[in-house]
Amino acid sequence: DTGVSQNPRHKITKRGQNVTFRCDPISEHNRLYWYRQTLGQGPEFLTYFQNEAQLEKSRLLSDRFSAERPKGSFSTLEIQRTEQGDSAMYLCASSLAGRRSTDTQYFGPGTRLTVL
Amino acid sequence: AQTVTQSQPEMSVQEAETVTLSCTYDTSESDYYLFWYKQPPSRQMILVIRQEAYKQQNATENRFSVNFQKAAKSFSLKISDSQLGDAAMYFCAYRSHLFYNTDKLIFGTGTRLQVFP
Repeated sequence: DTGVSQNPRHKITKRGQNVTFRCDPISEHNRLYWYRQTLGQGPEFLTYFQNEAQLEKSRLLSDRFSAERPKGSFSTLEIQRTEQGDSAMYLCASSLAGRRSTDTQYFGPGTRLTVL
Repeated sequence: AQTVTQSQPEMSVQEAETVTLSCTYDTSESDYYLFWYKQPPSRQMILVIRQEAYKQQNATENRFSVNFQKAAKSFSLKISDSQLGDAAMYFCAYRSHLFYNTDKLIFGTGTRLQVFP
């Protein structure tokens, strides 16, 4: 069990550029989540997948944001035409969804995005 | 919509002492789950303890215990015998039961805990 990994750990970009982040969940986990955390705040839910199906999207996820999980394993989060307000820590989590609703979400270290 | 409120932005405790972090939430749902997560500086978030709302017994995990008051919608975390390694941001989180067809965590704004030797 190597845990949830995210790449890159840090990304600095200029306003208007596109960025893509990757998340590799714990290998047997079928659910994968994306959250955004700004300074001084708790994480806010963006979206989640079960296998390759995107089951829920937050209203926070504007048209400039797109997430995929093409083979039900790793996931990518792309932000197009970045804005300064997109600067945040992007957290990925995974879980093994089963009959028990209390399946724990395990978090990765996050990708810190700075938009100049 | 559900909300989670942590009214203590910062708390401090002496090593070996006990500290309690507060959390209140608002929901109209009948069944749900509550969590405390710890986020050390520059490190990833880890689960500290969880509580299932239908269970009246308060959850405990070693030095960590909760005081769950369902009617008051209160979910506080007690850390006993505090250690230097307990210093971190602590987030309270809410999760609906899956029959509401959602699986997201709703977090509070966090409490920064400092532990002094």
